[in-house]
Amino acid sequence: DTAVSQTPKYLVTQMGNDKSIKCEQNLGHDTMYWYKQDSKKFLKIMFSYNNKELIINETVPNRFSPKSPDKAHLNLHINSLELGDSAVYFCASSPTGVDEKLFFGSGTQLSVL
Amino acid sequence: QQQVKQSPQSLIVQKGGISIINCAYENTAFDYFPWYQQFPGKGPALLIAIRPDVSEKKEGRFTISFNKSAKQFSLHIMDSQPGDSATYFCAANGGNNRLAFGKGNQVVVIP
Repeated sequence: DTAVSQTPKYLVTQMGNDKSIKCEQNLGHDTMYWYKQDSKKFLKIMFSYNNKELIINETVPNRFSPKSPDKAHLNLHINSLELGDSAVYFCASSPTGVDEKLFFGSGTQLSVL
Repeated sequence: QQQVKQSPQSLIVQKGGISIINCAYENTAFDYFPWYQQFPGKGPALLIAIRPDVSEKKEGRFTISFNKSAKQFSLHIMDSQPGDSATYFCAANGGNNRLAFGKGNQVVVIP
C-alpha cells in the first residue's frame, strides 16, 4: 500500500492550459504539503495544509490553487500554465509538522511545451 | 536567499569508503536538522535527523555530526555501498513549519 500517492506521474501539456495533480495519503496524518523541485533539484515548499486548513502559502502565483476536500487529500490545480512551471511537484504528509518525518509521494513531472 | 548551503555539489566515492557531505546554516533559530535521501524518480525520504542538544547521532552506517557554534552539520556515510548512490539533501526548521532545504549533493559510489 502506497503511503502517499499522487497522480499523474507525468503530465505534458501546452502553455495556457489548466491542469490538476491529485494527492492522497493513507497514513492518517494531519498535515499535507506541496513542494516544487526545479531542474537543479532545488526543493521549495509551496503550500501546507493542516486538517484541511491552509497554513502556509509560500508566495506562489495565484494561478496555483490547492484544495483539500478532507485531511487525506490535497490536490493542486494550476491555471494558465507557463513554461516556467515545468518541474517535479511532490506531495508530502507528516503527522503534525515538519519536525516529524515527511513522507513524500513519487512526484509528478510536469512539462509545459 | 538560501538559508542552508551544502557542499560539495557532487561526490564520487569508492565502495567501502566514507562519504561526507557538509551543510551550513545561518538562522540560529533553526532547531531541527534532517537529512533526506532521494533516488531518481522517487520522492525524498528521511534518512536521519538531529536536534542541537546533541553533537552526534548515529543510525547504522549513517552519522550526523553537529557543530552548533560553527552553525554546521554533516552527514557521514560509512562503508559506502553502490546502493547509497543518490541525492542527499540537508534541511533545517526553525519552528515555523517550513523546512529550508539545501540544494542537494549527488553521491555516486563506484564498485
